[in-house]
Amino acid sequence: DMKVTQMPRYLIKRMGENVLLECGQDMSHETMYWYRQDPGLGLQLIYISYDVDSNSEGDIPKGYRVSRKKREHFSLILDSAKTNQTSVYFCASSLSRGKDTQYFGPGTRLLVL
Amino acid sequence: AQSVTQPDARVTVSEGASLQLRCKYSYSGTPYLFWYVQYPRQGLQLLLKYYSGDPVVQGVNGFEAEFSKSNSSFHLRKASVHWSDSAVYFCVLSGNNYAQGLTFGLGTRVSVFP
Repeated sequence: DMKVTQMPRYLIKRMGENVLLECGQDMSHETMYWYRQDPGLGLQLIYISYDVDSNSEGDIPKGYRVSRKKREHFSLILDSAKTNQTSVYFCASSLSRGKDTQYFGPGTRLLVL
Repeated sequence: AQSVTQPDARVTVSEGASLQLRCKYSYSGTPYLFWYVQYPRQGLQLLLKYYSGDPVVQGVNGFEAEFSKSNSSFHLRKASVHWSDSAVYFCVLSGNNYAQGLTFGLGTRVSVFP
């Protein structure tokens, strides 16, 4: 069963704390993505990973970094979280780049106080 | 630059009625177009996609969409909706600049009433 998992599903942090969001996929997909979803803004791309240790900035990378040490695992890190990073974060994966279908995880709701 | 516009933020329909959700895109090349659906508190799921060929594509759960290059549109339709179709529907474009990932419309929230 093709699946993208995200942990944790819900997270509350204080401003200035570090945040680690984890994403896994069991499809051996090359490409993985991190998006955030905000009301009125839709989904915005934070980072793309084309494979292990091959990452590229998306539209809104400021304040975020990523790590991909294994093909099936992609992490999003917020160093010193800010209140404007309160959002719902989605991870996705696709077989390769471009027109391939993206498979989305269930999302992580992050609240930064 | 590429963009997707969904002009209707909210649509309300009665169960059993037909549904059409509008999508307009802007892209200079050949677009790859998708419709995704998001149920409450869930991630996005693919309904259908268009790459080339027959402009009418069939998707899951009775949904279909029609691509029009002349109108730069990719409208989604369903002949008879069910209450379980209540969700947010996203029109999505993928261009040839793979570094951009997908370009999402803002979504249309569909509410189906009995």
